[in-house]
Amino acid sequence: DAGVTQSPTHLIKTRGQQVTLRCSPKSGHDTVSWYQQALGQGPQFIFQYYEEEERQRGNFPDRFSGHQFPNYSSELNVNALLLGDSALYLCASSIGPVTNEKLFFGSGTQLSVL
Amino acid sequence: AQSVTQLGSHVSVSEGALVLLRCNYSSSVPPYLFWYVQYPNQGLQLLLKYTTGATLVKGINGFEAEFKKSETSFHLTKPSAHMSDAAEYFCAVSDYGGATNKLIFGTGTLLAVQP
Repeated sequence: DAGVTQSPTHLIKTRGQQVTLRCSPKSGHDTVSWYQQALGQGPQFIFQYYEEEERQRGNFPDRFSGHQFPNYSSELNVNALLLGDSALYLCASSIGPVTNEKLFFGSGTQLSVL
Repeated sequence: AQSVTQLGSHVSVSEGALVLLRCNYSSSVPPYLFWYVQYPNQGLQLLLKYTTGATLVKGINGFEAEFKKSETSFHLTKPSAHMSDAAEYFCAVSDYGGATNKLIFGTGTLLAVQP
């Protein structure tokens, strides 16, 4: 049983560019959350998708957007990249958005903005 | 707003020694608390969680944590450290108790285990 898979594993972009990160949830999971982990920091919640809708959002600008597909996979898009967007982006999946079912995390996408 | 504070960004112990990683929380609702471990180049793995009930929670790999409401603490312990325990540990609180699985993480504690 595959866990949470994220692609790509590493990505290098320049300021002002746009990037799309992808996440496939664990089998049987229908909810995807995205977190940003800057170097030396704990993960920060970006947003959560359930039933193809954004259900909750953290304190991130509108440059961060997402999508969930009917197969429950998800994308994170970041426009107009800034140097400060360099971070590890983690995807987590779960069964439902409001229970405390165990969150399963992927290994992340390391984004470097030059 | 909910928050957690992890005391000590780096902790070093000898193999076989007690591991104690400190976490204090702030929550306006009865907290749901978590400890996660992150090995290099990997995602987060749940060690244990407290929701309701017994205040001493046992997790994987011999770790346990005790919820102390009077001290607003949820410290992580392991009686005897192993080299494989070297990793970064994050304490987290659920943003609205059991009503969401949105987590608020601390800044992490990097555990080094010396031979």
